[in-house]
Amino acid sequence: DTAVSQTPKYLVTQMGNDKSIKCEQNLGHDTMYWYKQDSKKFLKIMFSYNNKELIINETVPNRFSPKSPDKAHLNLHINSLELGDSAVYFCASSQVTPQETQYFGPGTRLLVL
Amino acid sequence: QKEVEQDPGPLSVPEGAIVSLNCTYSNSAFQYFMWYRQYSRKGPELLMYTYSSGNKEDGRFTAQVDKSSKYISLFIRDSQPSDSATYLCAMSAPSGGSNYKLTFGKGTLLTVNP
Repeated sequence: DTAVSQTPKYLVTQMGNDKSIKCEQNLGHDTMYWYKQDSKKFLKIMFSYNNKELIINETVPNRFSPKSPDKAHLNLHINSLELGDSAVYFCASSQVTPQETQYFGPGTRLLVL
Repeated sequence: QKEVEQDPGPLSVPEGAIVSLNCTYSNSAFQYFMWYRQYSRKGPELLMYTYSSGNKEDGRFTAQVDKSSKYISLFIRDSQPSDSATYLCAMSAPSGGSNYKLTFGKGTLLTVNP
């Protein structure tokens, strides 16, 4: 059983388009995250939700909007895609514990042309 | 100065070698220290975490934390080709309420040659 799943795995699109990435976890965790990993492999947090409530919102353009319909799902919608948005986007989940053991999904590879 | 510094490598070693991976940090608020392993085209997975200064061992892996020097290390003994991956250090600090935020190093790409 896949603990944290993301769809789609690959996304190729034109500049200016709007796209969504979906994430689901079946671990019963309360907290979910979106990370961006750039071409140099640097993994940076974008958003964090706890029980559908936004708790971390890093300096991310307004074109990125997360949505959590329930605590098992966290989707990421991106408006007006730009070349610099090309990256791998990882969803993760954890219980709210101090050691923050996070379980990552397989990633969505986004390429903006 | 970045909060977490990690040499990106790449690091190439022969099978059986002892590997040492390191990170330094500047934020004294970091409380928990972790090492994640990321295979190519996969998501990161947790290898080990530590809280206090000192060593923690798990099989061939030893995590070391020196809070006074703000320095953490991961040692891999008897390295295997299957250990070839990117290793990311990560550290967590309180971010309000009971929530914690994880900050990652840039990752070190390790190749173990048979």
